[in-house]
Amino acid sequence: GDSVTQMEGPVTLSEEAFLTINCTYTATGYPSLFWYVQYPGEGLQLLLKATKADDKGSNKGFEATYRKETTSFHLEKGSVQVSDSAVYFCALSPNSGGYQKVTFGTGTKLQVIP
Amino acid sequence: EPEVTQTPSHQVTQMGQEVILRCVPISNHLYFYWYRQILGQKVEFLVSFYNNEISEKSEIFDDQFSVERPDGSNFTLKIRSTKLEDSAMYFCASSPTGQDNSPLHFGNGTRLTVT
Repeated sequence: GDSVTQMEGPVTLSEEAFLTINCTYTATGYPSLFWYVQYPGEGLQLLLKATKADDKGSNKGFEATYRKETTSFHLEKGSVQVSDSAVYFCALSPNSGGYQKVTFGTGTKLQVIP
Repeated sequence: EPEVTQTPSHQVTQMGQEVILRCVPISNHLYFYWYRQILGQKVEFLVSFYNNEISEKSEIFDDQFSVERPDGSNFTLKIRSTKLEDSAMYFCASSPTGQDNSPLHFGNGTRLTVT
């Protein structure tokens, strides 16, 4: 079945450091890929998405590129802020034409220190 | 911006009791979902709901679980006889379409603690 693997956390960075959170997936066909973010005490929010190979999703300075050859969707940000501290979830949705059944990774907690 | 709301934010119940978790999806959305996250584990799909019926459910969603849209705004998840292992954060989500590239809009979750 479909699966998503992302790097273990927590990841602790100083403000303005470069962020990479690795994500790889296993799926049949061509899934849509997402990054969701969960701030403390809140629900999951869509951060960015990509629906086909080589697409780049971007939002709030975060980027991720859909790499079919490596089945990856790594999240990057050039300069993190304290306000980016949250849990980040990589996820996929199979483009099977059926109802959405999103598969999530385990989440990576990011802590940004001043 | 419209949002999905869930109540209560935290529910404590004794093993064997029934609980109902409530959700109000975004008003013009047609597809509704429940997910759960056991502490420290993955966010897992439970069930999807469209046109007043379940469209898909996972292995987790056994006979102890049921969903209902009792009126035009609420979407509920009922657990008939809770078990300790049902303790988790339960997230409701909705989307305007069922298309796979359409992102889900999540509520803030209900933390269920079964003692």
